Amino acid sequence: DARVTQTPRHKVTEMGQEVTMRCQPILGHNTVFWYRQTMMQGLELLAYFRNRAPLDDSGMPKDRFSAEMPDATLATLKIQPSEPRDSAVYFCASRSLGSQPQHFGDGTRLSIL
Amino acid sequence: AQTVTQSQPEMSVQEAETVTLSCTYDTSESDYYLFWYKQPPSRQMILVIRQEAYKQQNATENRFSVNFQKAAKSFSLKISDSQLGDAAMYFCAYRPYSGGGADGLTFGKGTHLIIQP
Repeated sequence: DARVTQTPRHKVTEMGQEVTMRCQPILGHNTVFWYRQTMMQGLELLAYFRNRAPLDDSGMPKDRFSAEMPDATLATLKIQPSEPRDSAVYFCASRSLGSQPQHFGDGTRLSIL
Repeated sequence: AQTVTQSQPEMSVQEAETVTLSCTYDTSESDYYLFWYKQPPSRQMILVIRQEAYKQQNATENRFSVNFQKAAKSFSLKISDSQLGDAAMYFCAYRPYSGGGADGLTFGKGTHLIIQP
């Protein structure tokens, strides 16, 4: 089965460091989403892209977070500088057009010390 | 803004029994999709079942079925013949029908399902 691939699976770093999370969507999927999961807030949509163009990043803190799609096979989510409150699991998901559901990657567990 | 509410933080059921997980949502849209996702300890997000709001027939997938009540904005998940592998967090999710199909999901807070052997 085709899968969304996220790297790294785990990341531990110190406050103030830059963090980059990567996502390879399923081949042929043209819509890519970033979600964040925390105990307090649950699963929240951060941003999403369609055909590599950003459509909505209203859920993302603009001052330190940035999301890009350099090409159709790679989406990135960067945090600079990172803070302890950014500790969470970050999921990438992709889907094709129409009524198809989103397919999720296994997530990146991020810990900021 | 749409909201999704799962009022049961935790549910417990005996193996082989039936359990129903509740979900309600709030929206002003008439066309939308509803989903149940399962998240085991491995933290994968696995699609269990989905329902299109324009379909009156309730969706079923093997032992999983939903009770979709559009007027009441209710979307419950029934798991029949519960198995140990069903133990997980279950999330209800909503997505509006947007034509372009690019909208993200709004999730409930989840229900932790425990299966007693």
